[in-house]
Amino acid sequence: AQSVTQLDSQVPVFEEAPVELRCNYSSSVSVYLFWYVQYPNQGLQLLLKYLSGSTLVKGINGFEAEFNKSQTSFHLRKPSVHISDTAEYFCAVRAYSSASKIIFGSGTRLSIRP
Amino acid sequence: DTGVSQNPRHKITKRGQNVTFRCDPISEHNRLYWYRQTLGQGPEFLTYFQNEAQLEKSRLLSDRFSAERPKGSFSTLEIQRTEQGDSAMYLCASSLNENNEQFFGPGTRLTVL
Repeated sequence: AQSVTQLDSQVPVFEEAPVELRCNYSSSVSVYLFWYVQYPNQGLQLLLKYLSGSTLVKGINGFEAEFNKSQTSFHLRKPSVHISDTAEYFCAVRAYSSASKIIFGSGTRLSIRP
Repeated sequence: DTGVSQNPRHKITKRGQNVTFRCDPISEHNRLYWYRQTLGQGPEFLTYFQNEAQLEKSRLLSDRFSAERPKGSFSTLEIQRTEQGDSAMYLCASSLNENNEQFFGPGTRLTVL
């Protein structure tokens, strides 16, 4: 079984400041890793994913994440945030062997202050 | 708009009533997924279809829940004898195949009074 822990339920930051959203996962099997963003009243949108290869993954909107196998972490970062980044961010995993099920964390609400 | 669509966007019902939601996936996506998202939580997997076949169901999907995808295109999720605990956002997603990205719809928000 897999589980995902997002350590911060809310992260307030000032505009143009850097941000890191933390994610740790637990799994007895190899997994793919994802970050999704959910803007108010919209569906989930894939930000980035780690399947294999380079542990530093770049996604849309200037976000990037680094896979750390030894620490079972997949933290999301952005060097300079904008008001438009205000949203809920979900870390998620899917087992290699699973054809379907994505396991999501409980989410981190990113609020940007001007 | 060629994304995943869901109807209705909002549904308010009284406890004990039956409700049905519809999901229209992206055209030619053969996989369709249902998730439930309660307040303050991430989405939880409910079930998925490959074409018209329902291949996996979560233990969250009680006997009061049933999902169909009769022609391998749109899908419906029915909840019978709704309970207040069923209040949640119900999300639908589709993908081209198992290794492709799941694209999510905007969800149907259910409120059971």
